[in-house]
Amino acid sequence: DAKTTQPNSMESNEEEPVHLPCNHSTISGTDYIHWYRQLPSQGPEYVIHGLTSNVNNRMASLAIAEDRKSSTLILHRATLRDAAVYYCILRDVRGSNYKLTFGKGTLLTVNP
Amino acid sequence: DAGITQSPRHKVTETGTPVTLRCHQTENHRYMYWYRQDPGHGLRLIHYSYGVKDTDKGEVSDGYSVSRSKTEDFLLTLESATSSQTSVYFCAISQGQGDGYTFGSGTRLTVV
Repeated sequence: DAKTTQPNSMESNEEEPVHLPCNHSTISGTDYIHWYRQLPSQGPEYVIHGLTSNVNNRMASLAIAEDRKSSTLILHRATLRDAAVYYCILRDVRGSNYKLTFGKGTLLTVNP
Repeated sequence: DAGITQSPRHKVTETGTPVTLRCHQTENHRYMYWYRQDPGHGLRLIHYSYGVKDTDKGEVSDGYSVSRSKTEDFLLTLESATSSQTSVYFCAISQGQGDGYTFGSGTRLTVV
C-alpha cells in the first residue's frame, strides 16, 4: 500500500479554518484519497474522499494537488467538536482488495 | 452509527475461553471488516469479507477466525482468548469501489 505522511499534531482556534496536510508521493493512479477522523472513545468517522478533483461536503473540503502527491483537508470553521485524530489514507480499488490501512494520523487540538 | 451495530459493547472474559463478537448491518453493503485498536499501534485490520462466505486475512489475523453466512452479519471469534487480545474491536462496512467506510461504535474486550 502506498504510504502517507502527516504531522503528528496540529493546533487551531475555534471558529478559524484548519488546513490538515497529507503527503503521498508514491500514490498510484488507482488510489483514492480518504480522510477519516476519530473522536475520543469513538469509532473512526468518514469525512471525505476523492480521486483527482477537489471535493466538498457538509463536513469539509478536500484539496488535491495537481500531481496528486499531496492533499489538504480543510475544515472551514473549527469547533471544539472537531478535536480528533485525522487520518489520511490511500485506498487502492484494483481487484477485490478494498482495505483501508490506517497510519498514526494527526491529532488536532481546538482551542476555545 | 445508524446501519451498523456491534455486540456486545463491553466484555470481560478469562484467558483460554472462546469469545465471539458480532457485527450486524442493515445497509446491505458487500464488504465488512474487523479492526482492532491498541495504544501505540493504531487501527489494524484483522479480517475482512467481500461477500457471503468470502473472507480473507488482514495484517493481524493470528488467533482470530471469522464467518459470514449472511450479508448482514460478520462474526469474529477468538477461539482461545489471550491477554494480548485485550483491545477495542471495530467493525466497518463499505459498499464497494471508492466508497467510504462506516464504522461501528466498537467492542471493548478485556481478557483477564
